[in-house]
Amino acid sequence: EIVMTQSPATLSVSPGERATLSCRASQSVSSNLAWYQQKPGQAPRLLIYGASTRATGIPARFSGSGSGTEFTLTISSLQSEDFAVYYCQQYNNWPPLFTFGPGTKVDIK
Amino acid sequence: QLQLQESGPGLVKPSETLSLTCTVSGGSISSSSYYWGWIRQPPGKGLEWIGSIYYSGSTYYNPSLKSRVTISVDTSKNQFSLKLSSVTAADTAVYYCARAVAAAGYPDWFDPWGQGTLVTVSS
Repeated sequence: EIVMTQSPATLSVSPGERATLSCRASQSVSSNLAWYQQKPGQAPRLLIYGASTRATGIPARFSGSGSGTEFTLTISSLQSEDFAVYYCQQYNNWPPLFTFGPGTKVDIK
Repeated sequence: QLQLQESGPGLVKPSETLSLTCTVSGGSISSSSYYWGWIRQPPGKGLEWIGSIYYSGSTYYNPSLKSRVTISVDTSKNQFSLKLSSVTAADTAVYYCARAVAAAGYPDWFDPWGQGTLVTVSS
């Protein structure tokens, strides 16, 4: 099983500032990585797939990068609606065995 | 716009079987471009993939749950279902259904998700 880790566990950021979230895989997942945003009481929402492709309707301030074992989600200028928990998910296994990271909570500084 | 809605009992007794259904609206479950999956989230914790199914009935399960999980599909009702047997308190979670893109013939990322349903295992 590929183990996903995320850092930091909590990121305190002021509105308008840049947030950089990290995700690491225990072995290479190529570019088979997605990012999700989850707000309290809501289902996760897809932000990024293929490590760097924004999902439909996702603002340009969200960007993803990386490949192999190291990935980054960057929020260029945090808006009030961006304070949430962010999860990464790998989908590189065959047969499929999807695993998620433990999440990074982005809260208001 | 595709929507998914989970339904089923919110309370299940230990050792019994948890049964949930996901109803898909705004699109066909028989699309060759997608799989359909279940993911769960214990209160205050992270996400765990349970399994995914294709409209043909082909399934993939998380090995950690495989012995207790059955996912099935009913294309005539545009629904797919989850059964988890011999539940314990550790199975208490919000259960989500979601569509999985099949970019290369097998499931990848999940989008969109249902709103989720809390299932509590307690006597």
